[in-house]
Amino acid sequence: NAGVTQTPKFQVLKTGQSMTLQCAQDMNHNSMYWYRQDPGMGLRLIYYSASEGTTDKGEVPNGYNVSRLNKREFSLRLESAAPSQTSVYFCASSETFGNQPQHFGDGTRLSIL
Amino acid sequence: GENVEQHPSTLSVQEGDSAVIKCTYSDSASNYFPWYKQELGKRPQLIIDIRSNVGEKKDQRIAVTLNKTAKHFSLHITETQPEDSAVYFCAASNFNKFYFGSGTKLNVKP
Repeated sequence: NAGVTQTPKFQVLKTGQSMTLQCAQDMNHNSMYWYRQDPGMGLRLIYYSASEGTTDKGEVPNGYNVSRLNKREFSLRLESAAPSQTSVYFCASSETFGNQPQHFGDGTRLSIL
Repeated sequence: GENVEQHPSTLSVQEGDSAVIKCTYSDSASNYFPWYKQELGKRPQLIIDIRSNVGEKKDQRIAVTLNKTAKHFSLHITETQPEDSAVYFCAASNFNKFYFGSGTKLNVKP
């Protein structure tokens, strides 16, 4: 079992470019999440998908869009990247939404110049 | 909404000593309290969790205690080792919300 797989692992963008971060899980989980983690900071929820076919905003959704492509895949898109979006992005999944442990991917380190 | 406060933000202990990290929450509906460990440059990983119908849970050198009345829960690490050095995050959730604390950087000095 690979668990939660994120691609790419690293990316450098120029301001204004667009980018889609991919996430896939093979645990048959219903819920998926996208977080950002700035240096020395905690995890801030960007968007989540409680179940296939649904998506909702988290704490910091501005500048991002998501797509729950199917039960396995949940992508995060930056339409017009800004330097303030330089961060490490983590995808996570859980069996159901809320009171279940979340399993994290290895993260995508994104730098925007 | 829920507010999870975590203290201290940094903690330095000597190898072999115990470490305690505390979290408080505000939403009385929260019923699941996991703890995650994040080593430098790695993903957060679940190390222990507790549900609201239990007051304490142990797994070898780590334990979590929950006081529902006071709305706080704590992570206890005994006989700390250098490999315990990491950032630890608490979280509180119920059926439709999941909130992380801001993290505690634990440094275990050999």
